Amino acid sequence: DAMVIQNPRYQVTQFGKPVTLSCSQTLNHNVMYWYQQKSSQAPKLLFHYYDKDFNNEADTPDNFQSRRPNTSFCFLDIRSPGLGDAAMYLCATSRDPRDWGETQYFGPGTRLLVL
Amino acid sequence: GDSVTQMEGPVTLSEEAFLTINCTYTATGYPSLFWYVQYPGEGLQLLLKATKADDKGSNKGFEATYRKETTSFHLEKGSVQVSDSAVYFCALRRSQGNLIFGKGTKLSVKP
Repeated sequence: DAMVIQNPRYQVTQFGKPVTLSCSQTLNHNVMYWYQQKSSQAPKLLFHYYDKDFNNEADTPDNFQSRRPNTSFCFLDIRSPGLGDAAMYLCATSRDPRDWGETQYFGPGTRLLVL
Repeated sequence: GDSVTQMEGPVTLSEEAFLTINCTYTATGYPSLFWYVQYPGEGLQLLLKATKADDKGSNKGFEATYRKETTSFHLEKGSVQVSDSAVYFCALRRSQGNLIFGKGTKLSVKP
């Protein structure tokens, strides 16, 4: 089945130690999104790629970066994780952002713990 | 800015009870509206959607109607099952393509 895969499902890192979360997709979608979901809060968009074009949300901290080396893969890099960055990180894909009714397909998420 | 407000949970119901989860939104223009569901240990899955006023989305016995006059998109199901236990998220789609989510409502259905 075509899907969105996130690895690892759980990630533990130390305060200030860089960490990378991975997302891959077999849907061949043009757009890949990264959302942050803190406990009991709504998922919040960090940034997205439309093909190779990177689109950062205005309030996303500089500590968060992303790379998309090809259509299938997208990475979330946290350069110096703080305790406040502990959250679930959700990757999603969509085919065409110009389609108003288009569905976004989500991966299972990676839960990040910062010690 | 755009926002979504949904009822606080958790909601606990007995099997076969009627379910309503309220959702209201604030947005410029005419967004598309979605309900996503997250089962334990899984990612978010689309449950239903509506792209214009008065549209009704439906799936798996769930329904929601896009009400422009009340800026609402309430989720309903006539008879819930234990397997419906999950967290439900209301969301709107911005013109840039990304979703604005509500905080989620946890539903627990008891046998």
